[in-house]
Amino acid sequence: EAGVAQSPRYKIIEKRQSVAFWCNPISGHATLYWYQQILGQGPKLLIQFQNNGVVDDSQLPKDRFSAERLKGVDSTLKIQPAKLEDSAVYLCASSSSGRGHNEQFFGPGTRLTVL
Amino acid sequence: AQSVAQPEDQVNVAEGNPLTVKCTYSVSGNPYLFWYVQYPNRGLQFLLKYITGDNLVKGSYGFEAEFNKSQTSFHLKKPSALVSDSALYFCAVSGGGYNKLIFGAGTRLAVHP
Repeated sequence: EAGVAQSPRYKIIEKRQSVAFWCNPISGHATLYWYQQILGQGPKLLIQFQNNGVVDDSQLPKDRFSAERLKGVDSTLKIQPAKLEDSAVYLCASSSSGRGHNEQFFGPGTRLTVL
Repeated sequence: AQSVAQPEDQVNVAEGNPLTVKCTYSVSGNPYLFWYVQYPNRGLQFLLKYITGDNLVKGSYGFEAEFNKSQTSFHLKKPSALVSDSALYFCAVSGGGYNKLIFGAGTRLAVHP
């Protein structure tokens, strides 16, 4: 079974530039998550999709971050414009359902450096 | 509000010795508890979870965890540590339903030969 795929693996940009990350979840998984992991901290949920609908985006900085999952499969997370404090690893995860007892499967992450 | 505390930034143990990585949680209602491991430049890998039932949960790579409701703890254990167990370990809790997963700050485990 193929795992969660993410690209790119690394990205370096200057502040005020824009950047986009892509995620392809495990086949058949209805729920997709985007997390932000700042160095020295645990992952923090940015947004959760159930199929192509948003379940939770309460911690997404909506003035600069956006995400979509148009066909209920792969997803894109965008930052525009980027700030220095956005430097982090962005993790995508998927699960068979959004219920709290289901484990999540994580991709390798995208390490973003904002200069 | 849900929260997770991992009181130790780092745990050092000699190979062959038992290891414990501590986790305490706060959640309203019955908790769903998880342990994940992160190796360098890789995403998180699921180790084990507690949903209900037996308080001792067994998971991957010989790890186990004990759920203690009165102490609101879910400590990760292994009887005999390997150098290859060296990694970053995260405890996480969900309050059930569609509640999101809240992660602790992580504990770095260093197993020395």
